[in-house]
Amino acid sequence: QVQLQESGPGLVKPSETLSLTCTVSGGSINSYYWSWIRQPAGKGLEWIGRIYTSGSTNYNPSLKSRVTMSVDTSKNQFSLKLTSVTAADTAVYYCARAGGYNSPWVYWGQGTLVTVSS
Amino acid sequence: QSALTQPASVSGSPGQSITISCTGTSSDVGSYNLVSWYQQHPGKAPKLMIYEGSKRPSGVSNRFSGSKSGNTASLTISGLQAEDEADYYCCSYANSSTHVVFGGGTKLTVL
Repeated sequence: QVQLQESGPGLVKPSETLSLTCTVSGGSINSYYWSWIRQPAGKGLEWIGRIYTSGSTNYNPSLKSRVTMSVDTSKNQFSLKLTSVTAADTAVYYCARAGGYNSPWVYWGQGTLVTVSS
Repeated sequence: QSALTQPASVSGSPGQSITISCTGTSSDVGSYNLVSWYQQHPGKAPKLMIYEGSKRPSGVSNRFSGSKSGNTASLTISGLQAEDEADYYCCSYANSSTHVVFGGGTKLTVL
């Protein structure tokens, strides 16, 4: 059974960079599209972006200037970096897998809370 | 403000049917048969319930069905059960620039 696990600091200072990693187990990271999705407390879901195992990326236009995603197939991991964070970036961050470019997310991580605060 | 519009809340009694709407535009819902629906219980990750407008993943109850008319997609849950009480989100492919858009979510209360 495919499992995804987010990891990274739970607290980030304003103006600094948020860095998260998603580790994939129970299956290969190859030939899938991997997304990051976030959810502020009590609010809805927001797609951050996706990366294919070739390294090709697509980002939410509203976050594009601050987002970088990368993939390490040797470690079965992919990562998110979000720069210049503010309190508005405080949210639960999920990683998720899609089978194709426009496919839905069947597999999700449990989510990790990242708080932006000094 | 979310790109897709959903009612904030809906409710129904056990055994009844409810429908949640998801209204977009001709740039997303109206142009692509790529609407998916996710169920989210408190503190849990979303779960895929419907994809490509009306398809159910393996293991999802046939009480859940999806449809689309014009720029509006809908999720119908029949034979409501207490376990259906959750938040529901619609999601659509948009275009090669925007890529993916979500609805704001609908809280379903089973009375």
